[in-house]
Amino acid sequence: KQEVTQIPAALSVPEGENLVLNCSFTDSAIYNLQWFRQDPGKGLTSLLLIQSSQREQTSGRLNASLDKSSGRSTLYIAASQPGDSATYLCALNMEYGNKLVFGAGTILRVKS
Amino acid sequence: EPEVTQTPSHQVTQMGQEVILRCVPISNHLYFYWYRQILGQKVEFLVSFYNNEISEKSEIFDDQFSVERPDGSNFTLKIRSTKLEDSAMYFCASSDTSGGAVEQFFGPGTRLTVL
Repeated sequence: KQEVTQIPAALSVPEGENLVLNCSFTDSAIYNLQWFRQDPGKGLTSLLLIQSSQREQTSGRLNASLDKSSGRSTLYIAASQPGDSATYLCALNMEYGNKLVFGAGTILRVKS
Repeated sequence: EPEVTQTPSHQVTQMGQEVILRCVPISNHLYFYWYRQILGQKVEFLVSFYNNEISEKSEIFDDQFSVERPDGSNFTLKIRSTKLEDSAMYFCASSDTSGGAVEQFFGPGTRLTVL
């Protein structure tokens, strides 16, 4: 059974800092990994998708990497802004079946 | 930009009542999903649906739950005889294919409160 862990559980940084969110998983039989953003009481916004054959994806100030063999992904946020404050979730699309398995998320607060 | 929509945004019901949560997936998508998130917990997979059939379901998705695509646009989740522990945010998602580079797109969710 896939276990997904996100570290840290919460993070508070001053505006402008670069930061790294971590996601680790136990089963490398994945099709892809998605990073989502969730604002309080709201839905899930897809940020980046990395296929299992890729090493990284970039979108604006966001860069996600994937090391499938070691079961790790990181989300790098450059020059953080108060508007980045949200919960960030990683989710794995498993090869067996067609479902996403989610981590518990990292709650990010960027202080102005 | 196409998006997944869900109605209602918030549903309050009494324990034991039946509820139907509605979703309109992105129009050219073929795969549909329901997930739920109990307050303070992880997002959990409930069921996936393709070609008018359930393709996979989790152990949470017992006989109390059912899904249906009643027409060409809607995808519904029915919960019979709701329990207090069914209170959660329910998310619908859709994708155009499965596996590989597929990205699942999520709706804004329906918050279900069972009293």
